[in-house]
Amino acid sequence: DAGVIQSPRHEVTEMGQEVTLRCKPISGHNSLFWYRQTMMRGLELLIYFNNNVPIDDSGMPEDRFSAKMPNASFSTLKIQPSEPRDSAVYFCASSFARGLRNRSPLHFGNGTRLTVT
Amino acid sequence: QQQVKQSPQSLIVQKGGIPIINCAYENTAFDYFPWYQQFPGKGPALLIAIRPDVSEKKEGRFTISFNKSAKQFSLHIMDSQPGDSATYFCAARNSGNTPLVFGKGTRLSVIA
Repeated sequence: DAGVIQSPRHEVTEMGQEVTLRCKPISGHNSLFWYRQTMMRGLELLIYFNNNVPIDDSGMPEDRFSAKMPNASFSTLKIQPSEPRDSAVYFCASSFARGLRNRSPLHFGNGTRLTVT
Repeated sequence: QQQVKQSPQSLIVQKGGIPIINCAYENTAFDYFPWYQQFPGKGPALLIAIRPDVSEKKEGRFTISFNKSAKQFSLHIMDSQPGDSATYFCAARNSGNTPLVFGKGTRLSVIA
C-alpha cells in the first residue's frame, strides 16, 4: 500500500495567490482528515469527511479556506487568497470506520510545507 | 480550548535513559488514547494506543501508563536510543465517530 499521498511536498507562494493542496487517501478508507501543524499550535484539525461528505469544518480558520472531496480517492484543500500566517505544514490523514467503535488507526501523509511570502 | 495537555514541550535524555511524556485530559467521554511518533519531514505515525479498561500497555520498549481517576496518561521509553529522537504526540477521542484531538507535542532528543 502506498499510504496517504500528498502533493506538492513543498509550496512557496506570494501573499494573495491561490494555493491548492492535494490528497489521495489509502484505498478503502472512508474517513479523511485535514490537519495543520505549527510550532505554536501543534496539530489542529481543519475539517474531516466521512464517505466523501464534510462532517465538521469548524476548524477551518476563515472563509479563505475550503476543502472538497469529489470522490473516495481524492481531496483538495484550497486557500484563496493566501496570507503569510497560513504558512504551516498541512497534513492529510485517512482511516476506515465501520460503526462507532470499529475504526482503523489514523494514517498520515508526509504533509505539504506551505510558505507564503 | 485545548482538550489534551501535553508536557514537557521538549526533553533531552542520555542514551539508555527513560524519557517520560505526560498528557492530561478533561473529557471523560474519551475512550481511546494513542501516541504518535513523528520524524522530521514525515507525518505522525501510530506508535502505541490504550483504552481506559487497562492501566498499562507495553509494546517493546514503549509503555503507556493510564490513570483514569486522574485523567492522565503517559508514555515511557525504556532504554532510549538516538533513533528514538522525534516528536511525540498524545491524542484522544471518544467512542463516537469523531476525530482525534492531539496534544501539542514533545520534541525528544536522545544523545549518545
